[in-house]
Amino acid sequence: EPEVTQTPSHQVTQMGQEVILRCVPISNHLYFYWYRQILGQKVEFLVSFYNNEISEKSEIFDDQFSVERPDGSNFTLKIRSTKLEDSAMYFCARWAPKIWGHDQETQYFGPGTRLLVL
Amino acid sequence: AQSVTQLGSHVSVSEGALVLLRCNYSSSVPPYLFWYVQYPNQGLQLLLKYTSAATLVKGINGFEAEFKKSETSFRLTKPSAHMSDAAEYFCAVSEWGNNDMRFGAGTRLTVKP
Repeated sequence: EPEVTQTPSHQVTQMGQEVILRCVPISNHLYFYWYRQILGQKVEFLVSFYNNEISEKSEIFDDQFSVERPDGSNFTLKIRSTKLEDSAMYFCARWAPKIWGHDQETQYFGPGTRLLVL
Repeated sequence: AQSVTQLGSHVSVSEGALVLLRCNYSSSVPPYLFWYVQYPNQGLQLLLKYTSAATLVKGINGFEAEFKKSETSFRLTKPSAHMSDAAEYFCAVSEWGNNDMRFGAGTRLTVKP
């Protein structure tokens, strides 16, 4: 399966600053996702994105968060004013249908961006 | 709504011993079930998946999992543990490939020499 890359791999920021995390699927995909994993805790769904719109979002995904795919390639997660509790590993995932030559039964995850808010 | 519960946050086995990790799910529709592995400071790697075909599924690295609808369980096993199997293992459920995935809390597997 094609890979997903995420940049940066690590980011340290000050509380209140804006951060943008990027996800670059190597090939075309239909659905994109962001998940979060606070240190030592489980992976939590944040948001799914389809056809340039949010498809679903969890209760975690509040007004501080936004997603977009501005250039048809990069898929970004923006946190407007970071809080200490935003420190976590953020995973991008992607999904595409079988007719596009992909395994449509699962999502494939990127390596993650570790965000540390000080 | 779907959810998964992983039984045991920490499992310790000796090298060469059987690995058994337990996961129970809750779903209103036939679920898709997954086991992911996470090595320290790395991302999530898909070990195997169940998508309503055979109830015994084989994955990578010698792992396999058994789906039991009557018990709403998806049990991960490996006959003989290797030191390199030490990692965090996550069970996950979704309704379909493109639906949001719900993860369990994870089970940390330790392998003793």
